[in-house]
Amino acid sequence: AQSVSQHNHHVILSEAASLELGCNYSYGGTVNLFWYVQYPGQHLQLLLKYFSGDPLVKGIKGFEAEFIKSKFSFNLRKPSVQWSDTAEYFCAVSLSGTYKYIFGTGTRLKVLA
Amino acid sequence: GAGVSQSPSNKVTEKGKDVELRCDPISGHTALYWYRQSLGQGLEFLIYFQGNSAPDKSGLPSDRFSAERTGGSVSTLTIQRTQQEDSAVYLCASSRSAGENYEQYFGPGTRLTVT
Repeated sequence: AQSVSQHNHHVILSEAASLELGCNYSYGGTVNLFWYVQYPGQHLQLLLKYFSGDPLVKGIKGFEAEFIKSKFSFNLRKPSVQWSDTAEYFCAVSLSGTYKYIFGTGTRLKVLA
Repeated sequence: GAGVSQSPSNKVTEKGKDVELRCDPISGHTALYWYRQSLGQGLEFLIYFQGNSAPDKSGLPSDRFSAERTGGSVSTLTIQRTQQEDSAVYLCASSRSAGENYEQYFGPGTRLTVT
């Protein structure tokens, strides 16, 4: 069965540190890839998405992600985190031709001021 | 409304009771999705609607779970004879259509606690 793995469940960083959150999926076909963020007390919001084209995708708030097809990965990065980036981050995959999102278990990021 | 809304935001119920969870999608969105987020788990797909029909109910965990959508808008997820393992956050999402290129917009969720 298709699955999405986020290996880092909890990450704690100081402000200005660089961030990389891992996301791997298991599916050999064409996929669409997403990162969603859930700030404390708020609902899920889309950070960025990849459908096709340039594998380096830029999203909101300085986040970016790189799709590496050979590694089945879509890691999220930010060069310098802020306290306001404290949130839970979810990677999701939809299989090409379908509407169903398969989510990872999420990574809780805490940024220390 | 501006976004997807869900009600109630919190629901505490006794084991064995029935509950109804409501979702109001973004106006004009024809596709609607229900997910469940249990403690320590990712979001688990339950069911999706295109208009009023539900082509994919594959994620419903048991026959105690059902959902309907009327008028191509509001959807209700019903859980009968609730069990403690039903405790979770139930999320609703909508998209302009049910296609892979249409972003899903999520509501705030309903936190269900079964005691």
